[in-house]
Amino acid sequence: DAGVIQSPRHEVTEMGQEVTLRCKPISGHDYLFWYRQTMMRGLELLIYFNNNVPIDDSGMPEDRFSAKMPNASFSTLKIQPSEPRDSAVYFCASSSADYGYTFGSGTRLTVV
Amino acid sequence: AQKITQTQPGMFVQEKEAVTLDCTYDTSDQSYGLFWYKQPSSGEMIFLIYQGSYDEQNATEGRYSLNFQKARKSANLVISASQLGDSAMYFCAMREANQAGTALIFGKGTTLSVSS
Repeated sequence: DAGVIQSPRHEVTEMGQEVTLRCKPISGHDYLFWYRQTMMRGLELLIYFNNNVPIDDSGMPEDRFSAKMPNASFSTLKIQPSEPRDSAVYFCASSSADYGYTFGSGTRLTVV
Repeated sequence: AQKITQTQPGMFVQEKEAVTLDCTYDTSDQSYGLFWYKQPSSGEMIFLIYQGSYDEQNATEGRYSLNFQKARKSANLVISASQLGDSAMYFCAMREANQAGTALIFGKGTTLSVSS
């Protein structure tokens, strides 16, 4: 099992550009979570999906953020337009009926 | 109000010593799950240990144990015989309702430094 796969590992972009972060969950896991980690706010839940359906997006900071899960093996988190305050590490995690949550390696986003 | 509180921003310990990382939580649910994760400087989130609110025994996983005191709403992580490789950030997290589809809520973390 390759685990949860996120891409890219690092992204540097200019303010105003669109950024797309990608996540491939573990096969068979029916829950997918997107978290953001910053020094100031720690790990925050942005949105999560169950069987590809968004369940709770109350953590999405504003309309510039959107997330999709078109199928069981792929999810995207898009920021358009990006701002310097969006700089953070973005984690994707997946889980199944047991108690475990597996995190991806994260995407470090820098907006300049 | 914070759901998960980790009051120690940083902890220092010498190799081979035991260390306790504190975690208190707040929930009105009777069924919940408590987790600890390790985040080394490389950045990945590594699952360490889990405790369910109805588990009667404290969870143990190798050198890690969870000191669960339900009445005090605390779930401290104990690392025995610290190693240099234990230097990392440690996060306590809770899942309310203790179902797979519930998101984890994280504390702010504690940075552990192990010296030789």
